[in-house]
Amino acid sequence: LAKTTQPISMDSYEGQEVNITCSHNNIATNDYITWYQQFPSQGPRFIIQGYKTKVTNEVASLFIPADRKSSTLSLPRVSLSDTAVYYCLVGDTGRRALTFGSGTRLQVQP
Amino acid sequence: NAGVTQTPKFRILKIGQSMTLQCTQDMNHNYMYWYRQDPGMGLKLIYYSVGAGITDKGEVPNGYNVSRSTTEDFPLRLELAAPSQTSVYFCASSYSKDTAGAQHFGDGTRLSIL
Repeated sequence: LAKTTQPISMDSYEGQEVNITCSHNNIATNDYITWYQQFPSQGPRFIIQGYKTKVTNEVASLFIPADRKSSTLSLPRVSLSDTAVYYCLVGDTGRRALTFGSGTRLQVQP
Repeated sequence: NAGVTQTPKFRILKIGQSMTLQCTQDMNHNYMYWYRQDPGMGLKLIYYSVGAGITDKGEVPNGYNVSRSTTEDFPLRLELAAPSQTSVYFCASSYSKDTAGAQHFGDGTRLSIL
């Protein structure tokens, strides 16, 4: 399983763009990169998933360079409600045993 | 749709007791998972199942057992509860096809062993 490394915490202000980078040097050919968001006392919630280049949805964008050894989750114009822990996961489509690291604790201030 | 439903939401056990954490999903997902999350930590995979009748160990399986007799249900059994099993337990499900898929999580079961 590919190990991931991401910052322990980040601080931002409302309205700013937040970029959280995840390192996954041992990513395998079949692995997809998935980001989850978790609020206190809730289960993680899927945000976005990608394999290469760029993926965008209504919540975030995911940038993946050609070597796929890292990825960046971009949250445009964050609000207080974006305060949460964000997890980067790298998974094998065959075995599907995803590993959650400690995540990045994002604190958005007014 | 209810999604992934876990019961109970809270439970206190005495050391040595046993209990079953229930998980059911109504999305016809073939993959199901059990995770535990200790305070301030990430999730650790306990067991997972790729379909009815098939289960496999995750990262921290000791002290737990699972079964998957139907597509919908994936109960987690704790035998001889120990204080180290105090945690929040999350069940998740996903449908695998060509991607790693999005795992859908329940709201968790908060378990304290005293």
